[in-house]
Amino acid sequence: AQSVTQLGSHVSVSEGALVLLRCNYSSSVPPYLFWYVQYPNQGLQLLLKYTTGATLVKGINGFEAEFKKSETSFHLTKPSAHMSDAAEYFCAVSPPGRGYQKVTFGTGTKLQVIP
Amino acid sequence: NAGVTQTPKFRVLKTGQSMTLLCAQDMNHEYMYWYRQDPGMGLRLIHYSVGEGTTAKGEVPDGYNVSRLKKQNFLLGLESAAPSQTSVYFCASSSDRGRSYEQYFGPGTRLTVT
Repeated sequence: AQSVTQLGSHVSVSEGALVLLRCNYSSSVPPYLFWYVQYPNQGLQLLLKYTTGATLVKGINGFEAEFKKSETSFHLTKPSAHMSDAAEYFCAVSPPGRGYQKVTFGTGTKLQVIP
Repeated sequence: NAGVTQTPKFRVLKTGQSMTLLCAQDMNHEYMYWYRQDPGMGLRLIHYSVGEGTTAKGEVPDGYNVSRLKKQNFLLGLESAAPSQTSVYFCASSSDRGRSYEQYFGPGTRLTVT
């Protein structure tokens, strides 16, 4: 079984401040991990993913996340928030490997950026 | 490439009515999914398909049926709509090719059942 917990359904940051969105997972095997972003009235799009290899992964729009196995975490960060970062962010986990693998999504964190 | 498209974008139904949501992808992906998104609950998988002619139940399949007669299309049907099915529905597709594992999402269909 696998699950994802996103701490904080709403996060507010000032423009230019550090963005930190928290994600913890539970999985019986080393998982694949994803962060998706959803802008208002749009579908989700991939920000970044971790499958294997380097535990610090970089994504689009200056975001990055670090897979910490010991902490079962995959927190999303960005050094300096921009107004255009206001959106909802979803952490997701799936078992590794080819073929169909069920993806479990977190409940989402809405990021507000204050001018 | 259009990616993943969904039809319609909005729909209002009365309780008991039926409708079909259409999803199409032009990326030749093997896997396709239907999710529903409700406030505070993230995305929940309704049904999925691992290939043409195959479908399987997800986390919340009751009240929905699906078909995948062509590889590029995945249809979601509501036979008798209920207010509890008011939601935003997302279709997604993915592939093992290139070890991507990423799901590509459509823009969503906002359904209201009165």
